[in-house]
Parts: sequence; structure tokens; C-alpha cells
Amino acid sequence: SYVLTQPPSVSVAPGKTARITCGGNDVGDKSVHWYQQRPGQAPVLVIYYDSGRPSGIPERFSGSNSGNTATLTIYRVEAGDEADYYCQVWDSDSDHLVFGGGTLLTVL
Amino acid sequence: EVQLLESGGGLVQPGGSLRLSCTASEFTFSNYAMTWVRQAPGKGLEWVSAISGRSDNIYYGDSVKGRFRISRDNSKNTLYLQMNSLRAEDTAVYYCAKVRSNFLTDAFDIWGQGTMVTVSS
Repeated sequence: SYVLTQPPSVSVAPGKTARITCGGNDVGDKSVHWYQQRPGQAPVLVIYYDSGRPSGIPERFSGSNSGNTATLTIYRVEAGDEADYYCQVWDSDSDHLVFGGGTLLTVL
Repeated sequence: EVQLLESGGGLVQPGGSLRLSCTASEFTFSNYAMTWVRQAPGKGLEWVSAISGRSDNIYYGDSVKGRFRISRDNSKNTLYLQMNSLRAEDTAVYYCAKVRSNFLTDAFDIWGQGTMVTVSS
């Protein structure tokens, strides 16, 4: 089955840039979506189809996808960005939806 | 406001059954695929099942296939998850989520608040 690999944690100082990776075999050939989940809350979509940004999501959130790695980039990180972030794809070979293991973003 | 509201969670014994419901409001329910996602305590998100707008395409995760059944009633704007032969490892918060379109390759743009299912004797 298809596997998405994320680092368990990423730390960044306020105002700096955070990059959260999502690795998978030829993930660049798939459409990657990203979700933010704050403690005790439901997930929120922050990036769809690799780089699309839903209304209401700040322009500081950006996505890219190529080769074996998709990346969520958060510019000018704020304390409120501290959360778990999950990448997700639909694997058409298995007709299964796959989530990455999640990355905890800590704002120092 | 576009909204999803889950219900039906609770405490159930191993081997028991439970049916979750997810009621949608303020969008044309039948136009969108829907999905169930769960999250065990302290763990990450796990996909459970998905269904297309007209119920012509249905998919299950390996850990629930053969035990869970997803369905929808478009006349009632409601999504269901019938869970049978429940195990301790099914203990989780269960979220329903709306897909942005009727394509399961698309993202989930609206999530419910979740309903807790606890499987324990």
C-alpha cells in the first residue's frame, strides 16, 4: 500500500519560515492536500491540489509537489500556526485514501 | 453556514455494533462525495471509508473492510457509518468530511466536530 512519510516534528522561531515535507514514491504524480489540526479541534484544509489555497487561509501558506516530495511552506510563522499538519493523497492504484503520519509544528 | 454534525457515538462492548450519522446543511448534499476519517487518542488521522454523491462508488480502508458499511440518504442530507464487530482498536473520534467535489481525488473542505466511539468491556 502507498505510504506518505512526514517528519514527526518541526520547530521554527516566530517570523521565520517553516517547511514540512511529505515523502512518497512519485508523489509528484499525485495530488496532495494538506490539513492543519489544532489540539482538540477538527482538521482544517489549508492547501488543496498541491498548491491551491482555500478562501480564508492566509497567503503565508504555500504548497509544492515534485518528484518524491511534497512540501508545505509557512512563511512568517505565527504562534497560532502551532498545530499538527497532515498531508493526504488518493492512491488510484489501490483506491485507498492515504494520510501522512502528521507533523507537529512547534513555534519556539 | 455549511455544516456537518455527527451523532451516534458512545461506549460499546467488543463485538458490538454502532451506527454513526452525519447530517449536512447549507449545501446540495448529493453533489458531493463524503468520507469518514477517524483519529485514535493521541494518534494521527486514519481514513475509514468514502462514498460518491450518488452512492455508485464506495471504498473502505483495509482495517474496516467487511465490518463497516458506509451509506447515504440524499433525501435526508445524511451520511451513515454502520460499524459491526467492533474491536478495541476501533476506539477513536470519528469525523465525517465533505469532499470539495464528487471526485475522491479532491480535498476535504468541511469537517464535522467529531463523535467519540469507545469500544471497551
